[in-house]
Amino acid sequence: DGGITQSPKYLFRKEGQNVTLSCEQNLNHDAMYWYRQDPGQGLRLIYYSQIVNDFQKGDIAEGYSVSREKKESFPLTVTSAQKNPTAFYLCASSIEGQSRAVNTEAFFGQGTRLTVV
Amino acid sequence: AQKITQTQPGMFVQEKEAVTLDCTYDTSDPSYGLFWYKQPSSGEMIFLIYQGSYDQQNATEGRYSLNFQKARKSANLVISASQLGDSAMYFCAMREGPAWAYGQNFVFGPGTRLSVLP
Repeated sequence: DGGITQSPKYLFRKEGQNVTLSCEQNLNHDAMYWYRQDPGQGLRLIYYSQIVNDFQKGDIAEGYSVSREKKESFPLTVTSAQKNPTAFYLCASSIEGQSRAVNTEAFFGQGTRLTVV
Repeated sequence: AQKITQTQPGMFVQEKEAVTLDCTYDTSDPSYGLFWYKQPSSGEMIFLIYQGSYDQQNATEGRYSLNFQKARKSANLVISASQLGDSAMYFCAMREGPAWAYGQNFVFGPGTRLSVLP
């Protein structure tokens, strides 16, 4: 089945450690996104990528890094510079191509819940 | 400034009744899309319905319909015949910008928690 797979589902990080969240899609989508969700809150954009080997900062990129070496994969690294990383992280993708149409919805993964211990 | 406003943090509805979840948006672009997503307690985001800024008719998808009032910049979600499984967080989102622009991201509102009562 086509979809977006995030792993792991739960992740625990010690203070000062970097951790990487995986996001893989087999939908052949060009665009991929990372969002952070805090309890009872909406989604805030961390990074996005419209095409392989290119990505842009979102609203809350500080303390995070990404790469987009393959179309299918968009891993997110939470670095030790991120002072409050405990949150729910959602990866999404959408088909774009050259049209950059606004009528294409985003498809989401199941999320990764990161906790600092 | 908030681009998407959802003024109802929580809503209750009796099973089998209809409920309206409010969403207002702010944009100066003539081309934009509005989306509603459902987030159950498990966390995944489920796409429900889409409305384009140039669409002449209100969108409908099964029990979901969108009350689109362009002049008021509102895109309220109507759920008819509520079911217990409809209990979840509901997010309104917008995507804006001309077709040639780069980085047309999705902007989400704070969400409304809907509780369906038996």
